[in-house]
Amino acid sequence: AQKITQTQPGMFVQEKEAVTLDCTYDTSDPSYGLFWYKQPSSGEMIFLIYQGSYDQQNATEGRYSLNFQKARKSANLVISASQLGDSAMYFCAMREPAHNNAGNMLTFGGGTRLMVKP
Amino acid sequence: DARVTQTPRHKVTEMGQEVTMRCQPILGHNTVFWYRQTMMQGLELLAYFRNRAPLDDSGMPKDRFSAEMPDATLATLKIQPSEPRDSAVYFCASGPNRDPWDGYTFGSGTRLTVV
Repeated sequence: AQKITQTQPGMFVQEKEAVTLDCTYDTSDPSYGLFWYKQPSSGEMIFLIYQGSYDQQNATEGRYSLNFQKARKSANLVISASQLGDSAMYFCAMREPAHNNAGNMLTFGGGTRLMVKP
Repeated sequence: DARVTQTPRHKVTEMGQEVTMRCQPILGHNTVFWYRQTMMQGLELLAYFRNRAPLDDSGMPKDRFSAEMPDATLATLKIQPSEPRDSAVYFCASGPNRDPWDGYTFGSGTRLTVV
């Protein structure tokens, strides 16, 4: 079974509008964390935002916010006021304890390609 | 800014040759991951280390791939012999494995082409 599912392979959004990128996850461990990374065409992986499973409030970082719905196991990324430079691949990832309890695994979803239209 | 350094950035090699990719994690980070990215498979975890000890390499083809961390400043990923299906971008990432979870930092990747 997929640990991280991103159901939107590609999305368009009009410049200056908000967009939501979906992410659902699967874990039985109570202690975990969710990350979003951006990968522009240059190829580097850029950390955007993090949400811990015990965090009471949704994480926010500038124009990025994470809509964390624990019961539904979803961690959607919301980008407000989209800019042309937001066009990129976006990956959702989950940190959870490894089976051997000696660290944390980091597993990625398949990604969503966001294209911002001028 | 602290960064993860990967070398080489690009590598073109012939099938059957040995390939070695290197990664210098951020000083103080005790967790190192190796990922492979392809269009078809996305980001696959190959191996990861904590305090230089290999914890999980179940995602790595054992017959040709090997990962080591000879010291805290160097992680290596070797492919011997290389095959065309190994063509991909290989990323190294490091992190502190503790709060605050401000993200694992990725290197720029090694783009490997096996012809």
